Amino acid sequence: AQSVAQPEDQVKVAEGNPLTVKCTYSVSGNPYLFWYVQYPNRGLQFLLKYITGDNLVKGSYGFEAEFNKSQTSFHLKKPSALVSDSALYFCAVRGFLDSNYQLIWGAGTKLIIKP
Amino acid sequence: GAGVSQSPSNKVTEKGKDVELRCDPISGHTALYWYRQSLGQGLEFLIYFQGNSAPDKSGLPSDRFSAERTGGSVSTLTIQRTQQEDSAVYLCASSLVAGGASEQYFGPGTRLTVT
Repeated sequence: AQSVAQPEDQVKVAEGNPLTVKCTYSVSGNPYLFWYVQYPNRGLQFLLKYITGDNLVKGSYGFEAEFNKSQTSFHLKKPSALVSDSALYFCAVRGFLDSNYQLIWGAGTKLIIKP
Repeated sequence: GAGVSQSPSNKVTEKGKDVELRCDPISGHTALYWYRQSLGQGLEFLIYFQGNSAPDKSGLPSDRFSAERTGGSVSTLTIQRTQQEDSAVYLCASSLVAGGASEQYFGPGTRLTVT
């Protein structure tokens, strides 16, 4: 069965430190992988996606994500966290061969950046 | 350009009343999705439309929920005989096409409160 796991409900990082938000997935065949961010009382915003090619994908607001096929992971990273990065982060996946047009969504990880 | 818009932003209704939620997707986007999100929780897929094809209604929680998309653009989600458990934020998203590597762009949501 296709699935996405975000193993941490919450991640706390001090401002200025690097941050990682974890995501692992299970799909048939190669994946399309996405990260979205949801700021308080706002809709979701697209951050970045992996289609193919370079395993390191760069996105909005200084975020990047690393695709690791052997570990079936797509962790979100940022070298230096800002207080304004505090938000809810969602990972999503769709299988390359998947005829179902839905995205499979993770449960979300709340990122808290402490000043 | 203009993003996805939704109206109303907030709706308070009495139990048993019908409500209509509107979504105006990004111009040129052929795919439109409706999701439901309970407070601080993950996304629950409801329905999606792709062009003139029959919609995928597999996520609708009951027959009180219905949606239509007129002229391949604006969509309306209707909830009949609302119940308190329908209280949530209803999010609409659109994408250039359904499936593949096409990312979804979200509206700000409609917060529905059933009293």
